[in-house]
Amino acid sequence: EAGVAQSPRYKIIEKRQSVAFWCNPISGHATLYWYQQILGQGPKLLIQFQNNGVVDDSQLPKDRFSAERLKGVDSTLKIQPAKLEDSAVYLCASSLDRGGQQYFGPGTRLTVT
Amino acid sequence: GQQLNQSPQSMFIQEGEDVSMNCTSSSIFNTWLWYKQDPGEGPVLLIALYKAGELTSNGRLTAQFGITRKDSFLNISASIPSDVGIYFCAGRNKPADGLTFGKGTHLIIQP
Repeated sequence: EAGVAQSPRYKIIEKRQSVAFWCNPISGHATLYWYQQILGQGPKLLIQFQNNGVVDDSQLPKDRFSAERLKGVDSTLKIQPAKLEDSAVYLCASSLDRGGQQYFGPGTRLTVT
Repeated sequence: GQQLNQSPQSMFIQEGEDVSMNCTSSSIFNTWLWYKQDPGEGPVLLIALYKAGELTSNGRLTAQFGITRKDSFLNISASIPSDVGIYFCAGRNKPADGLTFGKGTHLIIQP
C-alpha cells in the first residue's frame, strides 16, 4: 500500500513570494491533516479536512495560509506572501476516518530567505 | 492552548542501555500517542494509549498512560543503533481532534 505522498520535498523562496505544497493521501482515507514543524519542535496542526470539508482550521494563519481539498482526495496548502518565520517542514497526514491512526508523509522542507 | 512538556530534550546513551522519557500536560488528555521521527521522514506511530493507567508494549518499547491523564512515559529496553531518532509524545481529547505534540526527545546512541 502506497503511503502519503508530498511534493516538492524541498523549496527555497524569498520572503513575500508565494509557494504551494501538494499532498496525496493514502487511498480511501477520508481525513487529511496539514502540520507545520519548525526546527526543534513537534508538529503543529494547521488544518484538518474530512473529505472535502474543513473541520478544524483554528491554528491556520488565515491572512497568509490557505488550503483546499476540492475533490476529497488530494490537497494543496498555499502560503502567500511568505515570511521568514514560515521556514519549517510542512507535513501532511491522513487517516481512514476522524480518530483513526494518522499516517504521515515525508514532508516538504520550506526555507524562506 | 494545551501544551506538552517532554523531557529530557536529548539523551546520550550507550548501546544496550535502557531509555526512559516522559511527557506532561497542563490539562487532561484522553489519548496519548508516542511517535518516532527519523531525519527527512514523517513521524511514525509506535504506541497508542487510550485508558488511564494503561501499560502497553511494542517489542522493546513500553508506554504508560498516567493515572492523572496528564502524563505519559515511554521506556526502551536494551537500545540498539536503529533506535536513534527523535521521539514525540502526542495527545488529544476527543477521537476526532487533531494531535498536540511535545517538542521531542532526541535519542543519540554513542558507540
